[in-house]
Amino acid sequence: ILNVEQSPQSLHVQEGDSTNFTCSFPSSNFYALHWYRWETAKSPEALFVMTLNGDEKKKGRISATLNTKEGYSYLYIKGSQPEDSATYLCAPSQGGSEKLVFGKGTKLTVNP
Amino acid sequence: KAGVTQTPRYLIKTRGQQVTLSCSPISGHRSVSWYQQTPGQGLQFLFEYFSETQRNKGNFPGRFSGRQFSNSRSEMNVSTLELGDSALYLCASSFTTGSTGELFFGEGSRLTVL
Repeated sequence: ILNVEQSPQSLHVQEGDSTNFTCSFPSSNFYALHWYRWETAKSPEALFVMTLNGDEKKKGRISATLNTKEGYSYLYIKGSQPEDSATYLCAPSQGGSEKLVFGKGTKLTVNP
Repeated sequence: KAGVTQTPRYLIKTRGQQVTLSCSPISGHRSVSWYQQTPGQGLQFLFEYFSETQRNKGNFPGRFSGRQFSNSRSEMNVSTLELGDSALYLCASSFTTGSTGELFFGEGSRLTVL
C-alpha cells in the first residue's frame, strides 16, 4: 500500500500571506500525482495532474512542483485569499496498479 | 456540461440492511471510480470501472460491489451494512482510465448506518 504523507495537517494564515504544503510519497515506480482542492460542502476539484520529474504547473496564484526522484511535491499559494480556504489533497499513483492513493490533506484557513 | 450526479445524497440505514448508490458521470466519460471517506481518513479507493469492466479494486471486503452500465452510469452496493460503513461515498468520472486523467467528483452520498 502506497504511504502518502501530507504536511502540515492544518494551517492558518492571514489574507495576503503566501504559503506552501508538502506531499511525500515513495519514489519507486512513480506514475502520476494529482492535487485537488476540497471546499467544505462541495466536491473535490482538480488542480493539477503531474507526471514528469521536475514538472511545474501553475493556475492563477497556485502552483505546484514535482520531484519524483526524492518522492515529494510542493503546492504553493501566493497571496492567500479567504476563498482559498479548503482542504488540499494530493494523490500519487504507481505504475502497474495506477490506483490513486489520497493523502489525508492539508486544511488551509485564510483569515481576512 | 452537466457534472457528475450522485443519488441519493443522504440516506439512513440500519445494520444488516443493504444499500445501492448511483453515479451518473459527465457525458463522454467512460471511467467511474468510487471512494469512501470516513472521519480522520483520506479518501479510500473502492473500485474503478471502465467500459463496463472493473479495472481496479481497493482493499474492501466483498460486501462492497459495483457495476457499470453501457451508458457509463455506475452503481455501488454494500450488503449487510455495519456501523463502520457510515461514510461519505464519492464517485468520480474521468475521460480516460488509469491515473493520468483528472477526476471530476460528484457531491457524494452520505450514508449513516444505525
